[in-house]
Amino acid sequence: DVQLLESGGGLVQPGGSLRLSCAASGFTFSSYALSWVRQAPGRGLEWVSAIGTGPDTSYADSVKGRFTISRDNSKNTLYLQMNSLRAEDTAVYYCAKEGAARHFDFDYWGRGTLVTVSS
Amino acid sequence: QSVLTQPPSVSAAPGQKVTISCSGSRSSIGNNYVSWYQQLPGTAPKLLIYENNKRPSEIPDRFSGSKSGTSATLGITGLQTGDEADYYCVTWDSSLSVGVFGGGTKLTVL
Repeated sequence: DVQLLESGGGLVQPGGSLRLSCAASGFTFSSYALSWVRQAPGRGLEWVSAIGTGPDTSYADSVKGRFTISRDNSKNTLYLQMNSLRAEDTAVYYCAKEGAARHFDFDYWGRGTLVTVSS
Repeated sequence: QSVLTQPPSVSAAPGQKVTISCSGSRSSIGNNYVSWYQQLPGTAPKLLIYENNKRPSEIPDRFSGSKSGTSATLGITGLQTGDEADYYCVTWDSSLSVGVFGGGTKLTVL
């Protein structure tokens, strides 16, 4: 079975940094694109960043220059390095796997990890 | 503010049909596939429709999707109380080179 398990969330002060991880299993990790999607408390879903099977990455304007997505295919793990965190980055962060055709549809999601940015 | 526009809420009685619209642009919906997700309270989103109108094997045929021009629609027939959830449309925006989510629609089954 496909599983995605996020970790690394927690409480961080404004201006601080955090690295999220998403451990994947049940599929050939290196063959699929992945995204991070977040959801602020009581709000809708917001796409954050995506990484393809190669070096291609993309970011929402709200995080560009502050967040970095990466993957380690040897460890079947997706990462999100978050720097210069702001209160508005407070959210549950989900990792999501794209389908094989890379049409930006997410067939599997993790359960999410909560990031709280507060002093 | 979402690039894809959905109605904030819809409602219908059990057994009835409901549609949820998703309006975008030529660079988003017009040039890319649309997918739809169901999010039950306190849970992760679940894929309902991909590539505009295809259903994963585990999704019942009560759920359907369509796309025309720069808009997409999710249809749900035979409404059940268990369908009460938030529903989101998603696509890629080729001009902005970003992923875009609709603002979400809360479905109430009266």
